[in-house]
Amino acid sequence: EAGVAQSPRYKIIEKRQSVAFWCNPISGHATLYWYQQILGQGPKLLIQFQNNGVVDDSQLPKDRFSAERLKGVDSTLKIQPAKLEDSAVYLCASSSIRDRGTDTQYFGPGTRLTVL
Amino acid sequence: KQEVTQIPAALSVPEGENLVLNCSFTDSAIYNLQWFRQDPGKGLTSLLLIQSSQREQTSGRLNASLDKSSGRSTLYIAASQPGDSATYLCAVPGSSNTGKLIFGQGTTLQVKP
Repeated sequence: EAGVAQSPRYKIIEKRQSVAFWCNPISGHATLYWYQQILGQGPKLLIQFQNNGVVDDSQLPKDRFSAERLKGVDSTLKIQPAKLEDSAVYLCASSSIRDRGTDTQYFGPGTRLTVL
Repeated sequence: KQEVTQIPAALSVPEGENLVLNCSFTDSAIYNLQWFRQDPGKGLTSLLLIQSSQREQTSGRLNASLDKSSGRSTLYIAASQPGDSATYLCAVPGSSNTGKLIFGQGTTLQVKP
């Protein structure tokens, strides 16, 4: 079974520029999560999708961050414009509905963003 | 609001030592707790999941315990090896029961040969 794929793996941009990250979850997984992990901290949920719909985006800075999940499969996370404090690793995870009782989430390798 | 804290932030031990990593959480109304491992430049891998009805889970040299009433969990690693060097994170479900996880800040472990 292929794991969660993310690209790019690394990205360096200037502040005020835009950036987009892509995630391909495990085939058949209905739930997709985007987490932000700042250096030295644990991951923090930005947005959660169930199929095409948003379940939780309470911690997404909506003035600059946006995310979509078309056709309930791949997802993109965009930052526009980026700030210095957005430097972090952006992790994508997925889980299947049958795993809800165990909350088993499968994580991708992440995208490391550096904002200069 | 659920908060998860891990102590210590970093730990360095010689190979072969037994060690304990600590995790505490503020809201005891959880239905499970997970321990993850994170290697540099890689995503998270689930190590152990303890349901609220259980007190501990074991996998190989790893043993995790859960005490809901005191809001604590420990991860015990027996006979540590250099390959155990990584960051270990504990996580509990968010109160909204949507599958969202609340993570601690992690303990970075270095096992020296």
